[in-house]
This record gives sequence, structure tokens and C-alpha cells, in this order.
Amino acid sequence: EAQVTQNPRYLITVTGKKLTVTCSQNMNHEYMSWYRQDPGLGLRQIYYSMNVEVTDKGDVPEGYKVSRKEKRNFPLILESPSPNQTSLYFCASSWRQGSYEQYFGPGTRLTVT
Amino acid sequence: ILNVEQSPQSLHVQEGDSTNFTCSFPSSNFYALHWYRWETAKSPEALFVMTLNGDEKKKGRISATLNTKEGYSYLYIKGSQPEDSATYLCAFLINYGQNFVFGPGTRLSVLP
Repeated sequence: EAQVTQNPRYLITVTGKKLTVTCSQNMNHEYMSWYRQDPGLGLRQIYYSMNVEVTDKGDVPEGYKVSRKEKRNFPLILESPSPNQTSLYFCASSWRQGSYEQYFGPGTRLTVT
Repeated sequence: ILNVEQSPQSLHVQEGDSTNFTCSFPSSNFYALHWYRWETAKSPEALFVMTLNGDEKKKGRISATLNTKEGYSYLYIKGSQPEDSATYLCAFLINYGQNFVFGPGTRLSVLP
């Protein structure tokens, strides 16, 4: 089944404790993105990647890192999480650049206390 | 910061009503506009990708139009059903890559 998977789905952590949210797609898509969703603000893009080893900042990259060492994986790293990073996170992938629809993962709900 | 707006913010209609909502975006440097449907507790799902001025796309009872010169897209739902209840998002592509700005969404509730 073609899909985008994210792990973990739910995470409660404490300020400053490094964490990684994994994202993997099995559709051989070139493009992948990370978004966060906050009430009243809609989906905001954190980082995106146009291919292996090619990443770029979205609108809200501060406090996040990403890597794209393999085509299928695009992990989101929070080196020192803070409470303002409490949010719902979505990973998405698409076949090529922005004229192709994105497929979203199930979401990861992160709470930083 | 580039602004993508959607109206109305929320909408309640009766089953069988037809409805439409608007996505407004900058009219310069257009690359693509996406529409997504987002049901509660699920992930956004793509409805349409619109790339050309005058585009009209249709999927069942849902259709969309695009006017890049004036910077808006309309989403229409004909004969709304309770299963159409969801938040409808538009996303504006701001470069020839993968950099998107999403609108805040229109939340549709269809009452049986």
C-alpha cells in the first residue's frame, strides 16, 4: 500500500531533550516536506527536500533540523525542544515539484513540557 | 510574509445544499494552487492541483476554478452530503520547488 508513515504518533517530552520524528514514504517520491499545524494558524511549512541531500527552509524552520540521506526517509530533528514547539506535525511527499499533489502522513502530536 | 486567505472561515449547510468557498492568493508569480480536504482526526487529502489560469477541475460533486490574474480560486460542492463535512485547505506554491503557503481553511459542516 502506497503510504507515508510517521513515528511516533504521539510524544510527550520535556524541554531540552533531543528528539527525532521519523518520516518514510514507499512511493519513490522525490519531494518531501514537514509541516506543523497550530490552532488558528493553519499548516505552516518547516522544511522541504527536493531530492537526496537537497533540503531548504520553509516558513518556520527555527528550532528544527532535517536530513535527507535516503530518498524514502526525511526525519525531523528537534535538538532542544521548547514548549512553543508543542504542535501537530505532518510529513508529506510528492512525485515531483509543486505541480503534483502531496500525500500526507498520519501526523505526530508532540507535547513539550 | 505572503498571505493566502480563505473565506468563509466556517460554513453550516443543510444536506442537499450546494456551496462554494474562496481562496485568495497573490496574483504575481503564480506556479500552482492545491486544494486539500481534511477530515477531523485524519490527514489532509489532495483534491485538485491547479496550474493554469482558467483551469476547471472536477471530481464527482466537487469542482474548482482558478483565476490567476485576479488571484482567486473557487471550490464548489454540489448537493452537499454529511460526509463532505471537513476543513478545505488551499495551498499556494511560492516557487518552482516545494515551498507552500497554506490558507487557514474553510470548515464545512453539512447537517442531515
